[in-house]
Amino acid sequence: QVQLQESGPGLVKPSETLSLTCTVSGASLTSTNFHWSWIRQPPGRGLEWVGYISYPGRTNYNPSLKSRVKISVATSKNQFSLNLTSVTPADTAVYFCATWTVSQAGFDSWGQGTLVSVSS
Amino acid sequence: DTQMTQSPSSLSASVGDRVTITCQASQDIKKFLVWYQQKPGKAPKLLIYDASNLETGVPSRFSGSGSGTTFTFTISSLQPEDIATYYCQQYDNLPLTFGGGTKVQIK
Repeated sequence: QVQLQESGPGLVKPSETLSLTCTVSGASLTSTNFHWSWIRQPPGRGLEWVGYISYPGRTNYNPSLKSRVKISVATSKNQFSLNLTSVTPADTAVYFCATWTVSQAGFDSWGQGTLVSVSS
Repeated sequence: DTQMTQSPSSLSASVGDRVTITCQASQDIKKFLVWYQQKPGKAPKLLIYDASNLETGVPSRFSGSGSGTTFTFTISSLQPEDIATYYCQQYDNLPLTFGGGTKVQIK
């Protein structure tokens, strides 16, 4: 069973960069069985796919965020990270990391989520 | 982008009732649809993949059907622990997109 845990600042100022890390246990980030993903949910609203990374570094991003988002992997730490630049209050959300098992379908393991607020 | 439209946005039903949620895709997504359950303050939980396949460990009162553009999610006998918001999500094409959610409450 894959377990994931998000970490990072809970408050970011407008125009700055949001940076989050997801620490993975129960699977290796060098596995080709998974897409390592970020999904966000503004307070009281629905889910939005942010993007994913697959070993050895292929990425896919939501076009609505593409120019501002980067997902990267630190295999030695078994972590993957999200960087979102030039944030505005509209980026305030609970950010989840999750895995998509390639051989099946669906985001089948999730972190607990972390709330990031964008405010001065 | 493929737009996913769920209906209703909320519903209220009694314990033991049959509950049905519809998800409409803006284009043909074949069978590439999943359903999630999200309880307040928690991460979503995968219930159904490939439109109709039950994830391991998910109670059999949950089911899904459909293909193409119209999909249905059913709880055959609503239980108190089923109170949650349910989301559909397509994975036929990128970007992956979710429906707006259906909040299920007990009457």
